[in-house]
Amino acid sequence: LAKTTQPISMDSYEGQEVNITCSHNNIATNDYITWYQQFPSQGPRFIIQGYKTKVTNEVASLFIPADRKSSTLSLPRVSLSDTAVYYCLVGINTGGFKTIFGAGTRLFVKA
Amino acid sequence: GAVVSQHPSWVICKSGTSVKIECRSLDFQATTMFWYRQFPKQSLMLMATSNEGSKATYEQGVEKDKFLINHASLTLSTLTVTSAHPEDSSFYICSANPGLAGNNEQFFGPGTRLTVL
Repeated sequence: LAKTTQPISMDSYEGQEVNITCSHNNIATNDYITWYQQFPSQGPRFIIQGYKTKVTNEVASLFIPADRKSSTLSLPRVSLSDTAVYYCLVGINTGGFKTIFGAGTRLFVKA
Repeated sequence: GAVVSQHPSWVICKSGTSVKIECRSLDFQATTMFWYRQFPKQSLMLMATSNEGSKATYEQGVEKDKFLINHASLTLSTLTVTSAHPEDSSFYICSANPGLAGNNEQFFGPGTRLTVL
């Protein structure tokens, strides 16, 4: 399972775009990149997943360069409710394959 | 999307007693479920992989005799913390994946807060 490295914490203001970058130098060919969000005392919630290039959904975008050794989660126009811990995971995420969490990035959005 | 529930959401017990936590996949079947533990301000730590109809697979350093896992059906896995002690106080979370083609998302339960007095 590829190890991931993320910034420990980030601060932002409401309305700004937030980009959180994750390094995963040992990513394997079959690995996907998945981001989860976790609020205090809750289970993690899926945000977005990608394999290469760019993926966009209603809440975020995920940018993955050609070498796939890093990825960037982009949150457009954050609000106070986006204050949470964001985890970048790398691996085969189906069925019986394990999901190993790194330290995550604690995002604090200020008014 | 798929829903995973946990019961109870919180529990307080006395030291030395055993506590059972349930994890259910409400609208899908899961041959595999995962159990995590999370201490305050820390990340989730994978404890074990729960396999329907067979023994669970424990991560290194996790005592299998202390954390008993039973996966008796395709929608239910249970984690029993035996002879609980204050150091077992933590947030326990389970997850599962429907195993459908093209669906690579793990669905997490809401977690169970265990406090051992």
